[in-house]
Amino acid sequence: EPEVTQTPSHQVTQMGQEVILRCVPISNHLYFYWYRQILGQKVEFLVSFYNNEISEKSEIFDDQFSVERPDGSNFTLKIRSTKLEDSAMYFCASKVGSLKETQYFGPGTRLLVL
Amino acid sequence: DQQVKQNSPSLSVQEGRISILNCDYTNSMFDYFLWYKKYPAEGPTFLISISSIKDKNEDGRFTVFLNKSAKHLSLHIVPSQPGDSAVYFCAARVPDSSYKLIFGSGTRLLVRP
Repeated sequence: EPEVTQTPSHQVTQMGQEVILRCVPISNHLYFYWYRQILGQKVEFLVSFYNNEISEKSEIFDDQFSVERPDGSNFTLKIRSTKLEDSAMYFCASKVGSLKETQYFGPGTRLLVL
Repeated sequence: DQQVKQNSPSLSVQEGRISILNCDYTNSMFDYFLWYKKYPAEGPTFLISISSIKDKNEDGRFTVFLNKSAKHLSLHIVPSQPGDSAVYFCAARVPDSSYKLIFGSGTRLLVRP
């Protein structure tokens, strides 16, 4: 069964460094998302991506964040200058089309900013 | 912004009995509600969903009930099995250009053998 994959599973970085989190969504899906979960808190929406552009971003998704789908398969989240409060699990999700409600989530990347 | 609330942080049930997980919401514009199951260090796994125009959806041992007037939904697991022990998240879909999901805080279910 197709699944969403994410790399790396864990990333430790120093404050101020850039990180790139990678995702390979399910191949025939058209909608792509990043969510995050800070330890002990809710899963929260960061950004949605459709038709090669951002369709919506949350207030968390400031100028330090960016997303790309560089080659038609990978979907990346870049944080330009990480802050301590960026430490969280980051989940990628994808969805086949607008009529289908189910988003399928990857296993997540645990980001720790020191 | 507590649009989706799961007021019970944990629930413990005996194997074979029914587990009932509850979720409340405030935004009447949500068009779908989904339940996800999550094990530690894994991503949320989709379980079952319900359209806002339905009041019940069933899939095997899992049934979701929606009470729109009360803005309340519940997930019933019958019979509960030890492998069901996980954190269960209720999520609601926003019917806009992004179709993003708004999650509740989760309920940790423990099914005792």
